[in-house]
Amino acid sequence: GAGVSQSPSNKVTEKGKDVELRCDPISGHTALYWYRQRLGQGLEFLIYFQGNSAPDKSGLPSDRFSAERTGESVSTLTIQRTQQEDSAVYLCASSPPDRGSNQPQHFGDGTRLSIL
Amino acid sequence: LAKTTQPISMDSYEGQEVNITCSHNNIATNDYITWYQQFPSQGPRFIIQGYKTKVTNEVASLFIPADRKSSTLSLPRVSLSDTAVYYCLVPYRANNLFFGTGTRLTVIP
Repeated sequence: GAGVSQSPSNKVTEKGKDVELRCDPISGHTALYWYRQRLGQGLEFLIYFQGNSAPDKSGLPSDRFSAERTGESVSTLTIQRTQQEDSAVYLCASSPPDRGSNQPQHFGDGTRLSIL
Repeated sequence: LAKTTQPISMDSYEGQEVNITCSHNNIATNDYITWYQQFPSQGPRFIIQGYKTKVTNEVASLFIPADRKSSTLSLPRVSLSDTAVYYCLVPYRANNLFFGTGTRLTVIP
């Protein structure tokens, strides 16, 4: 079946602009995660959704970052007034509702964001 | 709060068995250990998961000692296509996974 889909795959924008990144999780996956991966680094947790609520937003680096999720489907990560340090790959993952953090996550291939 | 420690990099020749060990001293009673593989320009991909002793699938084996404070991912007879970054994870806190920098495995012809 279809995997996690992210769009756009690449985004280049000027410093100060707002960007919106989209994630379509696997159907039936109630949990959804956003991560940031800088070049050569590991994944940095940003936010977790269970359904359309976000019980853990602790990883969002600043108030310029926000995320929404519609029901148990698409999620959008928005970065306002982008800065050059926001340049990274933004990865989305989803997982079924069972077993919480022990449930393996299914990842998309990410959106590569470049801030000029 | 469980974080993991694993070697930054490893090299291996084709056809050899590769063992990557991960430390997770603060693993909680209910936590599973999960390993992911990541190729360049792709998201991580689930490899294997275990709770104790040994788990084997078509790709790898996972060995977990009785105290569960470490685990070892074993890749049999690696090929060039196994060159990737390998992450060991235990839940950091509820629904928050700490990926760290992983182990960069380079398979040499």
